[in-house]
Amino acid sequence: DAGVTQSPTHLIKTRGQHVTLRCSPISGHKSVSWYQQVLGQGPQFIFQYYEKEERGRGNFPDRFSARQFPNYSSELNVNALLLGDSALYLCASSSPGQGAREKLFFGSGTQLSVL
Amino acid sequence: GQSLEQPSEVTAVEGAIVQINCTYQTSGFYGLSWYQQHDGGAPTFLSYNALDGLEETGRFSSFLSRSDSYGYLLLQELQMKDSASYFCAVSIYNQGGKLIFGQGTELSVKP
Repeated sequence: DAGVTQSPTHLIKTRGQHVTLRCSPISGHKSVSWYQQVLGQGPQFIFQYYEKEERGRGNFPDRFSARQFPNYSSELNVNALLLGDSALYLCASSSPGQGAREKLFFGSGTQLSVL
Repeated sequence: GQSLEQPSEVTAVEGAIVQINCTYQTSGFYGLSWYQQHDGGAPTFLSYNALDGLEETGRFSSFLSRSDSYGYLLLQELQMKDSASYFCAVSIYNQGGKLIFGQGTELSVKP
C-alpha cells in the first residue's frame, strides 16, 4: 500500500507569491493534518481536517488555508509568502481506528524555500 | 503554555543502550508519542503511551509518568541506522488531532 504522498517535493518561490501544496493520505484514512517544520525544530501544527471539515487550527496567520476533498486528499495554500515561511511542510494521515492523537503517518514533505 | 523539553543531542556507541528524556508542562492530554526522523525524511511513529508505565516494541521502549510530567524513550542494542532525530509529542484534550512536538533530540551512534 502506498504511504502518504506529497507534491511537489521541493519548491522555490519569491516573497509575495502564493503556493499550493498537495497531499494524498493512505487509502482508508479520513483525517489529514498539516505541520510546518523549521530546520532544527519539531513540527508545528497548522491544520487538521476530518471528513472534509476543519477540526483544528494552529497558531498561524490567515495567509495559511487548507481544504480537504471528497477523496480525502488535501491542499495547503499559503498566500503572500514571507522569508520566514521557508520550511519543510509535512502532511500526515491517521487511521479511523487509532485517531490522530495516537499515531500519525507522515509524508516526506515539501521543502519550500522563499527567496 | 504547553511545552515539551528534550536534550538537544545524545551520543552513544553501537550496541549500547540510550535513554532520551522528555519533560512536559501541559494541561490534560491523551498520551505521549515518540517519532523518529532521519535527515530530510518523514517522521516515523515509534511508540505511544496512553497510560503510565512501560510500552515495549522490539528494541524500543517508552515510559510515561503523568505524576512526574515525564517520559522517556529507551533504545537498546543500538545500531548505526538509529542515528536520527527523535521527537516526543503530546495530544491535548479538546484540540482535535493536534500534536505538540518537542524540539527533538539528535542521536548519534558511533562505531
